[in-house]
Amino acid sequence: KAGVTQTPRYLIKTRGQQVTLSCSPISGHRSVSWYQQTPGQGLQFLFEYFSETQRNKGNFPGRFSGRQFSNSRSEMNVSTLELGDSALYLCASSRGLGYNEQFFGPGTRLTVL
Amino acid sequence: GQQVMQIPQYQHVQEGEDFTTYCNSSTTLSNIQWYKQRPGGHPVFLIQLVKSGEVKKQKRLTFQFGEAKKNSSLHITATQTTDVGTYFCAEGAGNNRKLIWGLGTSLAVNP
Repeated sequence: KAGVTQTPRYLIKTRGQQVTLSCSPISGHRSVSWYQQTPGQGLQFLFEYFSETQRNKGNFPGRFSGRQFSNSRSEMNVSTLELGDSALYLCASSRGLGYNEQFFGPGTRLTVL
Repeated sequence: GQQVMQIPQYQHVQEGEDFTTYCNSSTTLSNIQWYKQRPGGHPVFLIQLVKSGEVKKQKRLTFQFGEAKKNSSLHITATQTTDVGTYFCAEGAGNNRKLIWGLGTSLAVNP
């Protein structure tokens, strides 16, 4: 089985721009979670989608949004980028909701200048 | 709210020494998962513990879940340079079924 894929792998943007990141889960996995990882802050949970519905949400501002499509692929969007949004954005898929084993993609490294 | 304390934040050992990282929660957990992230890589699932007092082994790695299901540990016997990375615990508790992640323990191994 192919693993979780994320595109793009690297992205450089400037403040005020917006960005869309994409995640394709493992075939058969219906849950997709997004995380932001920065040095010293560990993995910060953004949101979780299951069956095209957002089921859980972390403590991030409304500039961060996401969606899931009928084929379980997911996108996340960050609008009005700030310098502090520079981070590794990780997507993880799992078979179901909640406490299932998470399979992570390689991440998208976002740099905001 | 639910908090996850993972200690130590960093650990530097000589190859062959043992290593332990601990995860402590303020609430009773449904389960706990452990992940390893190599430098430049992404987190990879190691194990899930569900039962009170559970102990599981994977070669040189020993995972324990506390009797009260509020803490867990990962112990590595005779570390090797391949053990380098950050070890995360992720705790499952609460009705929202959202995993709560520790900040991780970064392990460096001197050859």
